Amino acid sequence: DAKTTQPPSMDCAEGRAANLPCNHSTISGNEYVYWYRQIHSQGPQYIIHGLKNNETNEMASLIITEDRKSSTLILPHATLRDTAVYYCIVRVVGSSASKIIFGSGTRLSIRP
Amino acid sequence: DTGVSQDPRHKITKRGQNVTFRCDPISEHNRLYWYRQTLGQGPEFLTYFQNEAQLEKSRLLSDRFSAERPKGSFSTLEIQRTEQGDSAMYLCASSLDGASYEQYFGPGTRLTVT
Repeated sequence: DAKTTQPPSMDCAEGRAANLPCNHSTISGNEYVYWYRQIHSQGPQYIIHGLKNNETNEMASLIITEDRKSSTLILPHATLRDTAVYYCIVRVVGSSASKIIFGSGTRLSIRP
Repeated sequence: DTGVSQDPRHKITKRGQNVTFRCDPISEHNRLYWYRQTLGQGPEFLTYFQNEAQLEKSRLLSDRFSAERPKGSFSTLEIQRTEQGDSAMYLCASSLDGASYEQYFGPGTRLTVT
């Protein structure tokens, strides 16, 4: 699976939009971009995924550049409960083994 | 609660002892994964089952580790002759069949080897 690059840490004011960037310059055509987050002492939680179109759900929006070499996860109105480590992952589609390869992620701190 | 459950949540053991962890996946999920996470790092893949078949094992899974999933339902992960380096969070996840389906993670079992 392709590697991803994320900033190690970010902070954001409560109520503002949190924009988390991710670079995946070696992504292949059949790889999806996934985002998970891990709140302290809990298992990772799926947020959103996409192939090439922008995606939105009740938790977040995912913006993927046209060349698919980078993406941004947007939490539109960050709350203190969004403090977590956010992982950007690319995964091969159609593989018989769909393990997730996690990097170190971005530690997002939401300040009051 | 119909999520992934793991038992125990915490385990403290002395070096050299054997430990076993259990994972109960979401009932209709036929894929089950084990990961290990050390402090400050992202989870690392250990092994994966499709139904009762263990289809992939990481090189991280030494001979002291064994995982089973009898009848394709719950799974157990056993560590024999524990070492201090085995101290970590052990995470279980499950998903539907198909590489694009998201994995749902359990709360993890935190192992401390003294």
